[in-house]
Amino acid sequence: EAQVTQNPRYLITVTGKKLTVTCSQNMNHEYMSWYRQDPGLGLRQIYYSMNVEVTDKGDVPEGYKVSRKEKRNFPLILESPSPNQTSLYFCASSPPRGEQFFGPGTRLTVL
Amino acid sequence: QQPVQSPQAVILREGEDAVINCSSSKALYSVHWYRQKHGEAPVFLMILLKGGEQKGHDKISASFNEKKQQSSLYLTASQLSYSGTYFCGTGDLSGGYNKLIFGAGTRLAVHP
Repeated sequence: EAQVTQNPRYLITVTGKKLTVTCSQNMNHEYMSWYRQDPGLGLRQIYYSMNVEVTDKGDVPEGYKVSRKEKRNFPLILESPSPNQTSLYFCASSPPRGEQFFGPGTRLTVL
Repeated sequence: QQPVQSPQAVILREGEDAVINCSSSKALYSVHWYRQKHGEAPVFLMILLKGGEQKGHDKISASFNEKKQQSSLYLTASQLSYSGTYFCGTGDLSGGYNKLIFGAGTRLAVHP
């Protein structure tokens, strides 16, 4: 089954404790993105990747890091999480000029 | 610059029609439309890649007016399953097709 998976689905952590949210897709898509979703603001892009080792900042990259060492994986790293990063996070993948396939989401709470 | 969606919310009776608009301040390459139900991931509806393009399936269609930098989503004879939040995602000339900026969403509730 074609899908995008994210782990963990739910995470509660404390300020400053480094964390990684994993994202994996099995559709051989070149493009992958991370979004955060907050009430009233819609989906805001954090980072995106056009292919292996090629990444670029989205609209809200501060406080986040990404890497794309393999085509299928695109982890999101929060080196020192803060409460304002409490949000719902979605990973997505897409072929060139194609629809975005979203993962199920990761709900992160930073205390 | 986030595209502006209007209206912010719509309440319909089953069978009624609705139009959701998406306007950008930038020249657009593409417009995507997604629907998200509460607690779920956004689901793709359609992409419009050319100015003037119109698409549709079932009773949901969309148009893209490149000159006006806007797109509209048309829902006709609405069904209960249409309830959810609708997002447009726009690709502009600087970012290309795959770097999307999403609007804040339009909440649609369809009642029996």
